[in-house]
Amino acid sequence: TQLLEQSPQFLSIQEGENLTVYCNSSSVFSSLQWYRQEPGEGPVLLVTVVTGGEVKKLKRLTFQFGDARKDSSLHITAAQPGDTGLYLCAGAPRSGNTPLVFGKGTRLSVIA
Amino acid sequence: GAGVSQSPRYKVAKRGQDVALRCDPISGHVSLFWYQQALGQGPEFLTYFQNEAQLDKSGLPSDRFFAERPEGSVSTLKIQRTQQEDSAVYLCASSLMQGLQETQYFGPGTRLLVL
Repeated sequence: TQLLEQSPQFLSIQEGENLTVYCNSSSVFSSLQWYRQEPGEGPVLLVTVVTGGEVKKLKRLTFQFGDARKDSSLHITAAQPGDTGLYLCAGAPRSGNTPLVFGKGTRLSVIA
Repeated sequence: GAGVSQSPRYKVAKRGQDVALRCDPISGHVSLFWYQQALGQGPEFLTYFQNEAQLDKSGLPSDRFFAERPEGSVSTLKIQRTQQEDSAVYLCASSLMQGLQETQYFGPGTRLLVL
């Protein structure tokens, strides 16, 4: 069974600070996705990383896929209160349509 | 609508009651997934359909859980004789099947509380 360990589980920071969320596994994934989930809603896709070592940027968010495709990180620069939410990493064990393996999530709170 | 819709959004059931949860995927999406998200946890896979065929049901926790998608569009997840441990958010996701990396689009979920 493939598992994704996500850390930290909770994070409370001041507006303007930087933060990094980690997603680690002993298994190789075909791709890794990062989602954000608001209370009462389903997860919304932020990014998909496919190639080992790949880095993608989305405004103040930077996503990296490990060289071995076993781990990933999400870095947020100058966090804002609007970044508050649950961040989930999810791995696809193989290419194509496949059930995703999710981490437990990181609940981020950015205080103004 | 343009997105995945689920109904009901909230369901309170007495222990032992049967429930049915509905998912309307994005029109034209071939694949449909059901996930269960317990409080404070990430979603966990339950079952997967490609059109009307249920290709994987390895995540269903017991034989009380049953899913169907008879016409390859709307899907229903049924839970018989609900137990308190069934309380969770049930998420449905759909995707096209056109490439190597398919995005799954999630619905808002059905929050089930079993008393």
